[in-house]
Amino acid sequence: RKEVEQDPGPFNVPEGATVAFNCTYSNSASQSFFWYRQDCRKEPKLLMSVYSSGNEDGRFTAQLNRASQYISLLIRDSKLSDSATYLCVVTPGDSSYKLIFGSGTRLLVRP
Amino acid sequence: DGGITQSPKYLFRKEGQNVTLSCEQNLNHDAMYWYRQDPGQGLRLIYYSQIVNDFQKGDIAEGYSVSREKKESFPLTVTSAQKNPTAFYLCASTPGLTGGYTFGSGTRLTVV
Repeated sequence: RKEVEQDPGPFNVPEGATVAFNCTYSNSASQSFFWYRQDCRKEPKLLMSVYSSGNEDGRFTAQLNRASQYISLLIRDSKLSDSATYLCVVTPGDSSYKLIFGSGTRLLVRP
Repeated sequence: DGGITQSPKYLFRKEGQNVTLSCEQNLNHDAMYWYRQDPGQGLRLIYYSQIVNDFQKGDIAEGYSVSREKKESFPLTVTSAQKNPTAFYLCASTPGLTGGYTFGSGTRLTVV
């Protein structure tokens, strides 16, 4: 079983739609969680950290469910510029700083 | 401005050659990492270093080597022992346990 699993998509949605991605992780000791965005042939960039209480940044909302070991990302009022691959990222739960990346979910927002 | 610089952006390697990818950061981050990304796949950890003069193998270290002689620099050598080196290589750094990564813009390595 992969440590971090995501639906690869693609999710093809119209502008203005609301779309949600889920991600599951296998290590119950994981402490930190992130969503990264990666544009085609570019490096990943931090979109937002995911906190236990949930957090919102403009049109983006992240949720963490420790009991079920999953993380979600909700994007409201999708824009064409949201088209990208969204990577779910967790820490392994040890003392290292390394991050474990999911394979990503591809989002395509159409006019 | 602070950031991570990877060079070169594109690199072509002949069969049997060793090549070295450069990664330099001026963020004063302690930890640095090398990842490999293949088309349509996630990032896989090659090596990481949490302090100067110390580094650990990641999940796919075979055929690669690193050094960490300075805090700012973490070069990656792709040796001839790496059988399938064509990939996108990403260097990253982080200040600590709760910080997200900052990535360099990557090096695309192709075997010719």
